[in-house]
Amino acid sequence: GENVEQHPSTLSVQEGDSAVIKCTYSDSASNYFPWYKQELGKGPQLIIDIRSNVGEKKDQRIAVTLNKTAKHFSLHITETQPEDSAVYFCAANYGGSQGNLIFGKGTKLSVKP
Amino acid sequence: GAVVSQHPSWVICKSGTSVKIECRSLDFQATTMFWYRQFPKQSLMLMATSNEGSKATYEQGVEKDKFLINHASLTLSTLTVTSAHPEDSSFYICSARDPTELLAKNIQYFGAGTRLSVL
Repeated sequence: GENVEQHPSTLSVQEGDSAVIKCTYSDSASNYFPWYKQELGKGPQLIIDIRSNVGEKKDQRIAVTLNKTAKHFSLHITETQPEDSAVYFCAANYGGSQGNLIFGKGTKLSVKP
Repeated sequence: GAVVSQHPSWVICKSGTSVKIECRSLDFQATTMFWYRQFPKQSLMLMATSNEGSKATYEQGVEKDKFLINHASLTLSTLTVTSAHPEDSSFYICSARDPTELLAKNIQYFGAGTRLSVL
């Protein structure tokens, strides 16, 4: 069945360094790839997303890249800050363009001051 | 982005009782809402898709008589955990899609979640 693999499960970086989280998906029909940030005890917040018609998207310190051929996409956070510490989930749609989302297992990012 | 409100944020109940969780879209009408369950340090598992005016679509392995979903209006979906037991203790999160976002049909906006503890 459809699957989204996410790595690493935990990531620790020093403040100011960059962080990269990678995901792979199995459904070749997937065309929407969002990233969510979840802080402890809260619901996930959409931070950036990308569609299959582009290869990269940036929003200030956050960027996402997509390689459709290899079926993988990555989240890049530059100049990390302690407030970036959270669990990050990637997701991909399945079952067509109106389909639901399947989530990766999450990456716990810790940014040390 | 759109705002989804979920209530209550935390509930404790006795085993055998039922608990209702509400999910509201505040500034848009959501024809489709989703209910997820999340165990500690784990990912979000889709329980069911709630469609306004029709029956919910449950994922495999989710008991529809245990987790009752009602989506009676375009801004409100409810999840009722019936005859709750300690193993039902979890973090329940709803999300909604804004159908008017023609170029962003897949975007899901999440509520803040409800932590259910069954004693």
